[in-house]
Amino acid sequence: QVQLQESGPGLVKPSETLVLTCTVSGGSISSYYWSWIRQPPGKGLEWIGYMYYTGSTTYNPSLKSRVTISVDTSKNQFSLKLSSVTAADTAVYYCARHVAAVDSGDYLDPWGQGTLVTVSS
Amino acid sequence: AIQMTQSPSSLSASVGDRVTITCRASQGIRNDLGWYQQKPGRAPKLLIYAASRLQSGVPSRFSGSGSGTDFTLTISSLQPEDFATYYCLQDYNFPWTFGQGTKVEFK
Repeated sequence: QVQLQESGPGLVKPSETLVLTCTVSGGSISSYYWSWIRQPPGKGLEWIGYMYYTGSTTYNPSLKSRVTISVDTSKNQFSLKLSSVTAADTAVYYCARHVAAVDSGDYLDPWGQGTLVTVSS
Repeated sequence: AIQMTQSPSSLSASVGDRVTITCRASQGIRNDLGWYQQKPGRAPKLLIYAASRLQSGVPSRFSGSGSGTDFTLTISSLQPEDFATYYCLQDYNFPWTFGQGTKVEFK
């Protein structure tokens, strides 16, 4: 079955750019949408944005000016870039497959295990 | 953005109890709602989508209902592995928004 795995640095300095990669295994990245979600320590979940394998994207307006999600179909990977980070961006970042079904609604499944990114100098 | 309000924020229950969690949307969202279970240190797991459709492999003691603005997740007989935090997620429009979560604790 499809599995997702996030990777990237666990520590990023304030004002720098956070870059994470999600590697998809057990299936092709094509023909699906792919999302990023984050969760600050001890808090709830925030949807960051999603992209289609063709490269089209939709972002949360709260982060839109700082977020870029991109895809590398040759590597079966998609990536998240978040610029000008502050301590408020410290969170566990999850990637997930976004299933969009015409007659049964959308949902996120499966999810990666998540990776903690701490913003600190 | 659509606001999703879950209640209660936490509850205490015993094995075998019937548990009900509600989620209210700030505007109508048809049946575009999912429920996710999260255990400590783990990623969320999809339980229910389209308000009432049980994801494959999820035990039948979980059920969802509702449409428009009011939704319910019911666990018919709480099992030890069900102690977790539950989130609703509206997928009616962007940005998708989650409820704040309901933590189900052991009484």
